[in-house]
Amino acid sequence: QSVLTQPPSVSGAPGQRVTISCTGSSSNIGAGYDVHWYQQLPGTAPKLLIHVTNNRPSGVPDRFSGSKSGTSASLAITGLQADDEAEYHCQAYDSRLGGLVFGGGTKLTVL
Amino acid sequence: QVQLQESGPGLVKPSENLSLTCTVSGGSISGYYWSWIRQPPGKGLEWIGFISYTGSTNYNPSLKSRVSISVDTSKNEFSLRLSSVTAADTAVYYCVRNSRLLPATFFDYWGQGTLVTVSS
Repeated sequence: QSVLTQPPSVSGAPGQRVTISCTGSSSNIGAGYDVHWYQQLPGTAPKLLIHVTNNRPSGVPDRFSGSKSGTSASLAITGLQADDEAEYHCQAYDSRLGGLVFGGGTKLTVL
Repeated sequence: QVQLQESGPGLVKPSENLSLTCTVSGGSISGYYWSWIRQPPGKGLEWIGFISYTGSTNYNPSLKSRVSISVDTSKNEFSLRLSSVTAADTAVYYCVRNSRLLPATFFDYWGQGTLVTVSS
């Protein structure tokens, strides 16, 4: 299983707000390491969505935001749209492993 | 705009070696670190390892005994070699560019990915 834990799936209606959690431990998120998020549309490669907890690359709408508290991080999506339907992955550094780790991914369904 | 393209065999026999190359265009390989990441069908992402343009490497401990990543700055490409493969190594393999050094590393440019199936 993945070092970072994400719910397998979340869903929401168009216009609603959804959050996706990413739970780690004292050797990764809890140690203060940055959390990053990727969006993977069906059949495509992941794309950087949020870096260093809550920074959006150019072109990513401000409907996407990130936060972190303790050993967990969250991705929030407001004003849900049909083309937000995708898999979302969190990523961080783990000091116990000495490398980079991902969550298992969360599939977002827009109802 | 930096672009990455994976190339290599799509089918590898069990116990043989998997070899992939990533060609970088639209920018120089120098000055950056470069990773390989894989995604088994229907599963999450797994970081395999990275290499700097100078050749220093860092591998996922779970794969370290079987992985080797090399770089050829003259060709603007880097390569992955995974030895003694099994069906568990079947995955889409992505080459990516690292942004920032450890521990703040994230991945800002991705190749389209290439499916490698391990089967006899």
